[in-house]
Amino acid sequence: NAGVTQTPKFQVLKTGQSMTLQCAQDMNHNSMYWYRQDPGMGLRLIYYSASEGTTDKGEVPNGYNVSRLNKREFSLRLESAAPSQTSVYFCASSEEGKAGGREQFFGPGTRLTVL
Amino acid sequence: AQSVAQPEDQVNVAEGNPLTVKCTYSVSGNPYLFWYVQYPNRGLQFLLKYITGDNLVKGSYGFEAEFNKSQTPFHLKKPSALVSDSALYFCAVGLLDSGNTGKLIFGQGTTLQVKP
Repeated sequence: NAGVTQTPKFQVLKTGQSMTLQCAQDMNHNSMYWYRQDPGMGLRLIYYSASEGTTDKGEVPNGYNVSRLNKREFSLRLESAAPSQTSVYFCASSEEGKAGGREQFFGPGTRLTVL
Repeated sequence: AQSVAQPEDQVNVAEGNPLTVKCTYSVSGNPYLFWYVQYPNRGLQFLLKYITGDNLVKGSYGFEAEFNKSQTPFHLKKPSALVSDSALYFCAVGLLDSGNTGKLIFGQGTTLQVKP
């Protein structure tokens, strides 16, 4: 039972390059999330998917796109990377339902540097 | 609008002493509250949560937190700190009536340093 996996673990891009961060979970969770973590700013939500087939913007969506490929996979794409997107990216999932309040399970993160 | 504040960037405590990591929140609705811990180069790990029920919540590794509906602190506490507790701690808040999205707002994090 791997939980939440993310690839790659590290990536260096040049300004203007594109890339996709991959995330998969094997817990049959409905909801998935992408966050970025920057020093002194905690985690900020980029996009989320409350269920398969739906995606919504979070707090900082500009410069990113997402795809909920199926229930397991939720990818994050940077179409034209900028130095301001240098960050650590975390994917998370949770078993959200009508009750709400479920804890989120996090992947190990992707450390992205944009030169 | 929801917000979470962790007023201390770093907390230093001696091993064996009690520790407190502070968190205050502001929501318009019924909140649910989390504490997460992050060890170096790792993802966040769930520590404890409050949704409903007993106001004193006990979590992993001996940590606990107390919810008070009339006040907004949700401080993380432990009676006796261990060196292995040294890590980055995050408080997070969500709304039970947020349309079942599970969205959370995280505080900026507090580094806990426990010295032998």
